[in-house]
This record gives sequence, C-alpha cells and structure tokens, in this order.
Amino acid sequence: EPEVTQTPSHQVTQMGQEVILRCVPISNHLYFYWYRQILGQKVEFLVSFYNNEISEKSEIFDDQFSVERPDGSNFTLKIRSTKLEDSAMYFCASRGGQYTEAFFGQGTRLTVV
Amino acid sequence: RKEVEQDPGPFNVPEGATVAFNCTYSNSASQSFFWYRQDCRKEPKLLMSVYSSGNEDGRFTAQLNRASQYISLLIRDSKLSDSATYLCVVNSRAAGNKLTFGGGTRVLVKP
Repeated sequence: EPEVTQTPSHQVTQMGQEVILRCVPISNHLYFYWYRQILGQKVEFLVSFYNNEISEKSEIFDDQFSVERPDGSNFTLKIRSTKLEDSAMYFCASRGGQYTEAFFGQGTRLTVV
Repeated sequence: RKEVEQDPGPFNVPEGATVAFNCTYSNSASQSFFWYRQDCRKEPKLLMSVYSSGNEDGRFTAQLNRASQYISLLIRDSKLSDSATYLCVVNSRAAGNKLTFGGGTRVLVKP
C-alpha cells in the first residue's frame, strides 16, 4: 500500500541551526501539507502546496520556514535559525484530490536544545 | 470562535458500550469532512470520510449536519483497541484546500 515517508524520524539540533525535514508523498498525489504538533497539543496547519506553489499558509509559517519540491518526488520543510519552541512533531501529508482524504507520514520529532 | 471544536474528553467507556461525540465547525463553506484516529505520539490515520447522507463503516457511524455545522461519530460495541484520540478534520477549498484539525476527543475504553 502506498504511504507517505518522512526522514529523519528524530532530529536533535542546537538552537539557531537550520534543519531540513524531508517527505516523500504518495506518487500520484497533487496536494501536499506540513503540520506540526507540539507535545500534548493539537495538530496545527503550517502550509499547503499545490502546483509547485504555496496555496495557503498559517501565521506560524513565517519567514523562518520554507518549503520546496526540488525534484518532483521529495517535499521538504526548511526551518532556519531554530528556536526552542520549534520542538514538536512535524507531519507531512499528501492527497490525490481536493476533496479526498489525506495520508500522513509517521512524522519527524524535532528537538531543539 | 475556533474553526473546528471538539470536546476534549476523556470519554470513559465500558467495553461493549456505545459512545458518541460531536465536532462543530465555523466555516459554512467547508466542503469535506473526515474523522481521523491518533494514537499516542503517532501520526493521524484516517478512520472515515463523512458524507452528506451519513455513512457507516462497521461499528463506526458518521453524520453531517450542515445546517447546524457539526459532524458526529458514534462507536458501537466499543473495543479496548478503540482507545485513542479522535480528530475531526474539515476541508475548505476557499482556504487553499487547507485541512483544519479539531483539538481531538480522547476516548478510553475500559474492561
């Protein structure tokens, strides 16, 4: 069964460093998302991506964040100059159509120290 | 008003019992609706989509009430393995097909 894969599963980084979280969406999907979930809190929308551009972003997704689909398969989230409060689980998701369900990767647990 | 709201629970349910809970959404232009299940520290997994006429999948029944802007999930004959957090997810095409999550309803099924 096709699945969304994310790497790494866990990343520890020092405050101020840049991190890149990687995702391989399901191959024929068209819509891509990043979400984050701080421990014990709700799943928060960061950004949606369609047709090689951002279609919607949240207030959280400020200049510190960027997304790319560099090669038609990978979908990356870059976080520049990480802060302690960026520590969270980051989930990538993809969906085939605008009304269909989304499939989530297993997540990357980011710990900023 | 929050975009998607859920009773956080927990709902403590005896094994074999029925439990039901709702989710309200604020955007009347929302087009599609889903229930996801999340186990501790895991990714959300689709439980079922919610259709306008209501739909059932085994022990799970979902309903949509557009007039009152809520969806519901009913679990019959609860199993211990049904213990999880149930996430209501609402899609808005007008907002770049953003999928907005509720805060989740925690269900604990006990023997």
